[in-house]
Amino acid sequence: EADIYQTPRYLVIGTGKKITLECSQTMGHDKMYWYQQDPGMELHLIHYSYGVNSTEKGDLSSESTVSRIRTEHFPLTLESARPSHTSQYLCASSEGGTGANVLTFGAGSRLTVL
Amino acid sequence: QKEVEQDPGPLSVPEGAIVSLNCTYSNSAFQYFMWYRQYSRKGPELLMYTYSSGNKEDGRFTAQVDKSSKYISLFIRDSQPSDSATYLCASGAGSYQLTFGKGTKLSVIP
Repeated sequence: EADIYQTPRYLVIGTGKKITLECSQTMGHDKMYWYQQDPGMELHLIHYSYGVNSTEKGDLSSESTVSRIRTEHFPLTLESARPSHTSQYLCASSEGGTGANVLTFGAGSRLTVL
Repeated sequence: QKEVEQDPGPLSVPEGAIVSLNCTYSNSAFQYFMWYRQYSRKGPELLMYTYSSGNKEDGRFTAQVDKSSKYISLFIRDSQPSDSATYLCASGAGSYQLTFGKGTKLSVIP
């Protein structure tokens, strides 16, 4: 079944630790995204990729970094986690092309930094 | 002014009620309009999207767009407890990134 997977679903970690949030999709989508979601706030785009070896920063400034070495894989890394990074992180993907940009989301990774 | 405005609620209705969820947008370049549903501890899932003004129906759900007033609505008929979720409107143009509203949290009480 075509889907998009995020791991871990929940992570509690101490300040200063390095973390990587994994995202993989089986749909062969060219475009992949990372959004940050906080309660009562809009989804904010922090990174996106339109294909292998292509990554861009989104509207919301983030200290995280991403890589896109394989089409299906789009991990997000925080080199030194801080309490301000506590949030829900959503990965999404969409097909290329000029039509409506319909996103398929993963279940999310909820990060808590103590 | 945010490009997509949505009342976050929360909204609580009795089972069987007709629910109306609304958004406004300010960017005239937006070409298509989407509604996503997000259950607690899950990612958003697409309910429906439309390009044009007017109504689009899918079962108990109707999406309505009025481009002249830049108003987007989602109607849910015969609401069920399983409809309890956060509903996110989103707008976009071409293949560019979507702009999301804050989401409206809906509770349908049995």
